[in-house]
Amino acid sequence: AQSVSQHNHHVILSEAASLELGCNYSYGGTVNLFWYVQYPGQHLQLLLKYFSGDPLVKGIKGFEAEFIKSKFSFNLRKPSVQWSDTAEYFCAVKHRISGGGADGLTFGKGTHLIIQP
Amino acid sequence: DAGVTQSPTHLIKTRGQQVTLRCSPKSGHDTVSWYQQALGQGPQFIFQYYEEEERQRGNFPDRFSGHQFPNYSSELNVNALLLGDSALYLCASCERTGGETQYFGPGTRLLVL
Repeated sequence: AQSVSQHNHHVILSEAASLELGCNYSYGGTVNLFWYVQYPGQHLQLLLKYFSGDPLVKGIKGFEAEFIKSKFSFNLRKPSVQWSDTAEYFCAVKHRISGGGADGLTFGKGTHLIIQP
Repeated sequence: DAGVTQSPTHLIKTRGQQVTLRCSPKSGHDTVSWYQQALGQGPQFIFQYYEEEERQRGNFPDRFSGHQFPNYSSELNVNALLLGDSALYLCASCERTGGETQYFGPGTRLLVL
């Protein structure tokens, strides 16, 4: 069974600091990778996704992530965080079956990010 | 364009009871997945429905069952509730063909006493 590991459960940064959240997955086949964000009191929203092509993907609100196949990693980055980035961040993976289609996602346990003004 | 909606928002039940949660997918979506999110954890996949049938299932007991209606809405049923079933239950929808991004609803918070 596939699994997703997020390295840091809690991260505290000051505004304007750079951010990198780690994510590693266990499945060795072809995967689709996602980062979701959950702002306080809101539902899960998609930040960015990787299906194929350029391993550096850009998402909303200045976030980006790099897929490194050899390291089974999909780390999330942002050059300069804002107070409004305070939220829970989840990495998720779906192994791609032949014929495409939608399947269940496997999520990491999440990283609680707090940005101090 | 309405997103994924879920009802109720909160629910309190006692051990041994049964519960039904409801989900309406985003407009244009035909596939619904259910997830359980315990406190401090990431969502865990329960099962997925499309064409009114359960197509894929995660590691959950048979006490968890579901249904999908012709209008693509879905229900999650949990029988013989346990204290450990207390969690946020999330519904996600997507397009079966060509749509691999799941959109999540706000969830139903279930407390089992």
